[in-house]
Amino acid sequence: DTAVSQTPKYLVTQMGNDKSIKCEQNLGHDTMYWYKQDSKKFLKIMFSYNNKELIINETVPNRFSPKSPDKAHLNLHINSLELGDSAVYFCASRRTGGGSYNEQFFGPGTRLTVL
Amino acid sequence: AQSVAQPEDQVNVAEGNPLTVKCTYSVSGNPYLFWYVQYPNRGLQFLLKYITGDNLVKGSYGFEAEFNKSQTSFHLKKPSALVSDSALYFCAVRAEDSSYKLIFGSGTRLLVRP
Repeated sequence: DTAVSQTPKYLVTQMGNDKSIKCEQNLGHDTMYWYKQDSKKFLKIMFSYNNKELIINETVPNRFSPKSPDKAHLNLHINSLELGDSAVYFCASRRTGGGSYNEQFFGPGTRLTVL
Repeated sequence: AQSVAQPEDQVNVAEGNPLTVKCTYSVSGNPYLFWYVQYPNRGLQFLLKYITGDNLVKGSYGFEAEFNKSQTSFHLKKPSALVSDSALYFCAVRAEDSSYKLIFGSGTRLLVRP
């Protein structure tokens, strides 16, 4: 009955590789987000999708490409990985209808380590 | 631009004592404020939110938060701390543009000692 799930939980890879992180939510939400948490635990928005449409791209390098095949999924593909990409990536979702102040539900995170 | 500040990197409190984790915000319109908790190696869990109405908001696990408009603060409180409350706490404000993304503070680590 997991609400927001991410795979993989841990990802260790070499610089220059390409990798993907997947996110799925079974809450029926129509807006999904990717956040990055750096080594100092600071959380920052990267992308947001509403009904499969990109609505936020927060000055993220174009090596990062989100893809939303449907409302329940938001995947993150990263090309040419760099050391600085090492972080924990969190997916989140939110229900849009019924109020713009609905809280976001977060996934467990994917810890990416680039060697 | 909206922002959130959490002035304390860490708060230490003895079990059974009251705790307060501070948060101040800056928005141009009405603030929509949230508190989340992150346990080690876990995702963020929603604790409570302020939208409008009563200044004292009650949330999960016995936590509450007090909204103070004049001081632009939204401090998280609990009357009696538990060791299991030890975690990282984030205050957040909802963005005022149509993205409704969350803008987070830098986080406060709460350490409750037995």
